[in-house]
Amino acid sequence: EVVLTQSPATLSLSPGERATLSCRASQSVSRYLAWYQQKPGQAPRLLIYDASNRATGIPARFSGSGSGTDFTLTISSLEPEDFAVYYCQQRSTWPPLTFGPGTKVDVK
Amino acid sequence: EVQLVESGGGLVQPGGSLRLSCAASGFTFSISAMNWVRQAPGKGLEWVSSISGGGNTYYADSVKGRFTISRDNSRNTLYLQMNSLKAEDTAIYFCAKVGETGSMNMWFDYWGQGTLVTVSS
Repeated sequence: EVVLTQSPATLSLSPGERATLSCRASQSVSRYLAWYQQKPGQAPRLLIYDASNRATGIPARFSGSGSGTDFTLTISSLEPEDFAVYYCQQRSTWPPLTFGPGTKVDVK
Repeated sequence: EVQLVESGGGLVQPGGSLRLSCAASGFTFSISAMNWVRQAPGKGLEWVSSISGGGNTYYADSVKGRFTISRDNSRNTLYLQMNSLKAEDTAIYFCAKVGETGSMNMWFDYWGQGTLVTVSS
């Protein structure tokens, strides 16, 4: 099973700041990594798939990078609606599909 | 517009059964791989099960032998039959559609709103 680790667990930032979230895999997942955003009481929302492809309708301030075992989600300038929990998910080796434990981005 | 609407959640005793449904619309359901993902209260996301358009099924070890995923393409509906339920199955259950219709490229571009399953005596 591919274990995903996300850091930091919580990121406290102000609107307008840059957010850098990390996801590390226990073995190579090539570029088969996705990122999701989840707000309280809502379903997750796909942001990025296959490491760097923005999903339909996702603003350009969200970008993904990485390959192998190390991945990054960057939010270039935080908007008020970006404060949420972010999960990474791998599809390289499954079953099982696995998610990281999440990074919470909250207001400083 | 893609829509996924789950139903069937509720309170059930340990050892009991429940069947979840996910009504799909706005895309070609019959060739789309579909999935169940759950989230225990205050916890992260956990993949539960997937089914291909052709009916091949996949399960997390934690539910294998107890849960059965199925689909009725004539009704555009996904199901999850849950038997021998345990307290640790308590969660919101989301159905989710695979991002590329007809593929098994397992990222999830549309999700339902979820249905809460509570296993408690």
